Formats: sequence, structure tokens, C-alpha cells
Amino acid sequence: QQPVQSPQAVILREGEDAVINCSSSKALYSVHWYRQKHGEAPVFLMILLKGGEQKGHDKISASFNEKKQQSSLYLTASQLSYSGTYFCGANYGGSQGNLIFGKGTKLSVKP
Amino acid sequence: NAGVTQTPKFRILKIGQSMTLQCTQDMNHNYMYWYRQDPGMGLKLIYYSVGAGITDKGEVPNGYNVSRSTTEDFPLRLELAAPSQTSVYFCASSPGTGGYTGELFFGEGSRLTVL
Repeated sequence: QQPVQSPQAVILREGEDAVINCSSSKALYSVHWYRQKHGEAPVFLMILLKGGEQKGHDKISASFNEKKQQSSLYLTASQLSYSGTYFCGANYGGSQGNLIFGKGTKLSVKP
Repeated sequence: NAGVTQTPKFRILKIGQSMTLQCTQDMNHNYMYWYRQDPGMGLKLIYYSVGAGITDKGEVPNGYNVSRSTTEDFPLRLELAAPSQTSVYFCASSPGTGGYTGELFFGEGSRLTVL
């Protein structure tokens, strides 16, 4: 049930763009995105509900393709502060309240 | 503005000892979770609760127990500690309801070492 994230790691220069993907073999009710900096707790970025909506926050946006059961996180014009590990969390709905996370994508933004 | 509070922040245990990680939230959230995080392995769900008196196993429940007697508290009990339980433990809560999880609010984490 664990969603699969790709790539595992990516290195960018400031100002470059990146895409992180999160795929599930099971139907998703919602997808969550979190960022974790070294030694800190994960911090919420956004939630996407099934229905294919796209959300954005500053220069970070995400989409949810219900047909493919895949979500993508888009980081535009990356900043040094974007560095960290990005996790997607899968909620499979029903009566369950649990959230299963992928293994994460480590993003490093260099000056 | 306390949010989710975990104690202790650090602990060293000997093999076979037992301990309880405490977690309290003051946001009146229904859902609470315990995750463990090992290097490069992401967050693994240990147990979760959708309300007082209701708990369920996550991905890696063996060696752990939980209880949820109140909305605020969700302690995690480690029985007979083993080196494999060396990890960073995160408690989280969310205002979820009816299967919709909502945003997770994480505590600062508890780093546990078993020697």
C-alpha cells in the first residue's frame, strides 16, 4: 500500500524547476504533501482530493491524476529554502483515517 | 499554541526495558498517529486512532501498544525494547473525520536509542 515516489533524490541550482511524482497501486481518496528539513518534523504543504484538482502555494503546486492514481508536486524557480525531503502521504478513504507515506524525495537546492 | 507535545525528546534504553512515549494535543483533533522514522526509510505508521477508545494497527505495530482514553492523549508503549526499535518517533494529530484525514500536525519527535 505504500505509495512510490520518484525520483529518490534531485539536485537543483537556484531558479531551476523540479517535479516529484507519487504513485499508488490502490485507489486514492486523497494525497498529502509534506516537507521535512533535517532534524525537524514534517511540515504540511497541501492536500489534494480525488477529482484531479490542482493546488498551489507560492511557487509550489501539485496535481492529482485519478485515472493514473498519481500525484505530482511541481517546484518552480526553486529557492534555497526548498531544500529538504518531500513526502507524499496516501489516504485510501473509507472508514480509515490512516495516512501511509512514501519513502521520500530528497531535494537539494544549490546556489 | 502548544499543538502536539511529545515527551521525552531523547531516551536511551537497555535491551528488554520498557517505556512509554507520551503524546498530547490541545487542538481537539479526532485523529492521532504514531510514526517511526528510520534513515532513508520515510515515515512508517505504527498505530493510529480515529477517536477516544478506538485504535488500530498501522504498518509496523509489532512490539508496540497504544491506548486512547481521552481525545488529548495518545501514549505509545514499548515493551521489551530491542535494538530494532532504535528510531525517531513522531506523534501527529489531524482534524480528520469520516475517513478524511486532514492536515497532520506533528510533534517535535522523540529520539530513542536501544543498546
